[in-house]
Amino acid sequence: AQSVTQLGSHVSVSEGALVLLRCNYSSSVPPYLFWYVQYPNQGLQLLLKYTTGATLVKGINGFEAEFKKSETSFHLTKPSAHMSDAAEYFCAVSGRDDKIIFGKGTRLHILP
Amino acid sequence: DAGVIQSPRHEVTEMGQEVTLRCKPISGHDYLFWYRQTMMRGLELLIYFNNNVPIDDSGMPEDRFSAKMPNASFSTLKIQPSEPRDSAVYFCASSTGQGNQPQHFGDGTRLSIL
Repeated sequence: AQSVTQLGSHVSVSEGALVLLRCNYSSSVPPYLFWYVQYPNQGLQLLLKYTTGATLVKGINGFEAEFKKSETSFHLTKPSAHMSDAAEYFCAVSGRDDKIIFGKGTRLHILP
Repeated sequence: DAGVIQSPRHEVTEMGQEVTLRCKPISGHDYLFWYRQTMMRGLELLIYFNNNVPIDDSGMPEDRFSAKMPNASFSTLKIQPSEPRDSAVYFCASSTGQGNQPQHFGDGTRLSIL
């Protein structure tokens, strides 16, 4: 079975500062990991995914995430926050079945 | 390419009425998922289909909820009778299947039951 925990339901960073959104997962099989973003009144959009291979994954809008098996983590980072990054971010994990398990989300606030 | 299309975008109705939400998945996607999103419970998987066949409906809250997929390009989620606690945003998503494939979401239906 798979599960995912996102640390912090709300995160605030200043414009231009580093963005770090934390995600830890639990999986009984090698996991597939995803980050999604949700803007107001929209559905979730895929930011990036890890399946196999390189553990540092680059996504859209300058985001990246690193798969660390020893820490069971898949934290999302962006070197410099932009006002347009304000949204809700979801970490998700999948095993070998068809379902993706989503975390409860972290709302990112960007301070001017 | 057209994404997942949901209708209506907003629905306001009175308690006890029947509500039908509609979804058109991305062409060629074999999997279709229905989710419900609320502030209290976050994103919940209600049911999913593979090749038009329901695979797992363990997330459907109660018998008032039902979902169908009569063909590869259309699915409905029905609530009858509706209750105020059903108020939420309902999302449909589709994918090419298998756990390593991402799901593509529609923009959701915001449902308000008065």
